[in-house]
Amino acid sequence: AQSVTQLGSHVSVSEGALVLLRCNYSSSVPPYLFWYVQYPNQGLQLLLKYTTGATLVKGINGFEAEFKKSETSFHLTKPSAHMSDAAEYFCAVSPGNQFYFGTGTSLTVIP
Amino acid sequence: DSGVTQTPKHLITATGQRVTLRCSPRSGDLSVYWYQQSLDQGLQFLIQYYNGEERAKGNILERFSAQQFPDLHSELNLSSLELGDSALYFCASSVASGRQETQYFGPGTRLLVL
Repeated sequence: AQSVTQLGSHVSVSEGALVLLRCNYSSSVPPYLFWYVQYPNQGLQLLLKYTTGATLVKGINGFEAEFKKSETSFHLTKPSAHMSDAAEYFCAVSPGNQFYFGTGTSLTVIP
Repeated sequence: DSGVTQTPKHLITATGQRVTLRCSPRSGDLSVYWYQQSLDQGLQFLIQYYNGEERAKGNILERFSAQQFPDLHSELNLSSLELGDSALYFCASSVASGRQETQYFGPGTRLLVL
């Protein structure tokens, strides 16, 4: 069975601090992994994705994520949080033709 | 703006009714995906179409059906509606059908079943 676990439904960081959003997955086949961001009253927007190759993936808005097969993780990081980063973040895995999303992490940035 | 349009933005209906949600993909995109986002179930993949053909099926109820037309727009039909069907329904599109494709999401249709 495939699943995605996002640890921490709510994360708060101070402006300028490191952002770390955790994602662990289970997949019976090599997965493709994604992080999406959802701003209030909007659809999802792709931040970054891992398909094959380099395990450190850089995305938009200064975010990056590292695929660690041994830990079955794909944590999202950003060195310095900005107020505009406040949103809901979803990790997703695609082991085949389907897509499985985590329950989301709401990021609050404190000025 | 992702380029994906969904209509209507909001829909209020009663239990037992049937509704149709419409999605127009980005120009040139051949794949359309439907998702349901609710508080209790989170974000669930429902179904994918590619160039008019069903390509993948997720957690879509038998009361729900979808299709993609020759002009590539798609419709999601929800029938015998229940209170639990109240949710935000997203459509996404991509150029091709592979799982590596970047999906572009529309703004969603918010359905409220009373």
